Amino acid sequence: EVRLVESGGGVVQPGGSLRLSCAVSGFKFEDNSMHWVRQSPGKGLECVSLIVWDGSTTSYADSVKGRFIISRDNKKNLLYLQMNSLRPEDTALYYCVKDMYNTGRLENWGQGVLVTVSS
Amino acid sequence: VMTQSPATLSVSPGERVTLSCRASQSVGSSLAWYQQKSGQAPRLLIYGTSTRDTGVPARFSGSGYGTEFTLTISGLQSADLAIYYCQQSDNWPYTFGQGSKLEIK
Repeated sequence: EVRLVESGGGVVQPGGSLRLSCAVSGFKFEDNSMHWVRQSPGKGLECVSLIVWDGSTTSYADSVKGRFIISRDNKKNLLYLQMNSLRPEDTALYYCVKDMYNTGRLENWGQGVLVTVSS
Repeated sequence: VMTQSPATLSVSPGERVTLSCRASQSVGSSLAWYQQKSGQAPRLLIYGTSTRDTGVPARFSGSGYGTEFTLTISGLQSADLAIYYCQQSDNWPYTFGQGSKLEIK
């Protein structure tokens, strides 16, 4: 059974930083691209970042480019999202998502972790 | 930009439901549909425009190409009440529609 478990969310002040983690099991992590997708009431679902199987290529939404960094540890089956210079508009539920055969199809989702940026 | 219609649809069990998704530029067949029930993460229903994911009932079907896509639910069940999102994976950033919410009439 595929499992994706996010952690590291919380409340942070504008300008602050957080690091999200996603522990995965039930599939061969090193074979799959992975995503962070966020959902907020005002902006719906947004693909924030993508990392290919070996970490050699990463992509970011314009809204987070230069502030967020996606990474992975294939030996530990962990996905990360380092979030810096956080803004109130980054407030959202952040999902860790497994890609289907590296196609951009979002096959398996974690339950999400809440990030709130507020003073 | 992905645009879905209608935003909300009031339906009765047993009805046939058609949801639409329009892309501002061609995405070929790189279109997926997701179902999100209250308090849950989205679930992949259909990918590649018309292929049902594992375990998805046959009453869900998808069609279209390029810029116009449709999700059809034949014989709506109460378990199908949810928000449905389309998503293109033709080019980054992958984008979602704003969702279509199915409600009980």
